[in-house]
Amino acid sequence: ETGVTQSPTHLIKTRGQQVTLRCSSQSGHNTVSWYQQALGQGPQFIFQYYREEENGRGNFPPRFSGLQFPNYSSELNVNALELDDSALYLCASSGPTANTEAFFGQGTRLTVV
Amino acid sequence: EDQVTQSPEALRLQEGESSSLNCSYTVSGLRGLFWYRQDPGKGPEFLFTLYSAGEEKEKERLKATLTKKESFLHITAPKPEDSATYLCAVQILTGGGNKLTFGTGTQLKVEL
Repeated sequence: ETGVTQSPTHLIKTRGQQVTLRCSSQSGHNTVSWYQQALGQGPQFIFQYYREEENGRGNFPPRFSGLQFPNYSSELNVNALELDDSALYLCASSGPTANTEAFFGQGTRLTVV
Repeated sequence: EDQVTQSPEALRLQEGESSSLNCSYTVSGLRGLFWYRQDPGKGPEFLFTLYSAGEEKEKERLKATLTKKESFLHITAPKPEDSATYLCAVQILTGGGNKLTFGTGTQLKVEL
């Protein structure tokens, strides 16, 4: 049990819709990262938030956006959903120094139809 | 561009049959190399972090080692409950915050 919780666990959306995924980080962790994992692939970095500011972004379009709140929880928003957005979305929290490990939540399985 | 390559893609072992998984990497500057275990439909579970060449870490039947170009995850006398996908990831020294770059994983199946 990592202490990182994500909601919802599963979600089905229609192409063109918008979706918000949520993550509560582990106690004491102020950095949250989001990853997209397609079937049979490793997780791909979307972006990271540190103290409510975006602190690094992967190769994802602007319709992927995020927020971090004062309690360090976070949201991932995806607009104009496409079929290829179907994936497992993972949230990872880590501590205040660069060399701390990232602990993952159980993920949100998003299916776009 | 940072690259992480894992081999083999899939591995089938008999219970008790020891083996090793490989993770080779090409990065501009390594801050740390991470091993995770992932069960189907679940998030990755942290196993080890290695920071410098020559470093080794152990946990139960697993032992991770690191050189300047690759890392190995050695599995000694595996049991069926060790069946999972094992992911390797690197974190680089500059930029991107604490971004992890993952390989595609090795899917391990341990049979009785």
